[in-house]
Amino acid sequence: DSGVTQTPKHLITATGQRVTLRCSPRSGDLSVYWYQQSLDQGLQFLIQYYNGEERAKGNILERFSAQQFPDLHSELNLSSLELGDSALYFCASSVDRGSPLHFGNGTRLTVT
Amino acid sequence: SQKIEQNSEALNIQEGKTATLTCNYTNYSPAYLQWYRQDPGRGPVFLLLIRENEKEKRKERLKVTFDTTLKQSLFHITASQPADSATYLCARDFNQAGTALIFGKGTTLSVSS
Repeated sequence: DSGVTQTPKHLITATGQRVTLRCSPRSGDLSVYWYQQSLDQGLQFLIQYYNGEERAKGNILERFSAQQFPDLHSELNLSSLELGDSALYFCASSVDRGSPLHFGNGTRLTVT
Repeated sequence: SQKIEQNSEALNIQEGKTATLTCNYTNYSPAYLQWYRQDPGRGPVFLLLIRENEKEKRKERLKVTFDTTLKQSLFHITASQPADSATYLCARDFNQAGTALIFGKGTTLSVSS
């Protein structure tokens, strides 16, 4: 058990809709990362937050947004969903720069 | 931008043999490289971290090397077992300032008994 909790585990929704994915980091970890994994693209870095502030931004679409709250949990909001957004979305957390990432077991999003 | 590549998508070996996986990176040499294991439908699990000034790191049956001249890291599993069958991912820093990682697409290892 990595200590990182992601909810929900599965999400099925229609094109054009908006969903929110939730992540609780491991106790003591200040950094939260979001990744998208699809079969053809591998694990793609979306965005990182550190203690409530955005730290790094990767291949995150404008339709997607994230935030980290004072209690350090994070939410990833996906809007105007398209079929191509179907993927596994992982959250990870870490203590500090250069520390290993601890991943949750992901949210599987299916857009129909 | 930084890139990290794992050239082999799949590797099939027999139980007891040594599996060797390759990871190549571009641009500047990262301060460290990390290796993860991922099982189907699960999140990646951290295995080893090797720093730029370390040539080799070992943990039980695992060994990682870091060659800054070749811009390459090798990941070895000795005396492989069917339970080692999984996808192995290497990762480097997203940029020089941050702590985020970018990952290779992974190599899926299958160990047959």
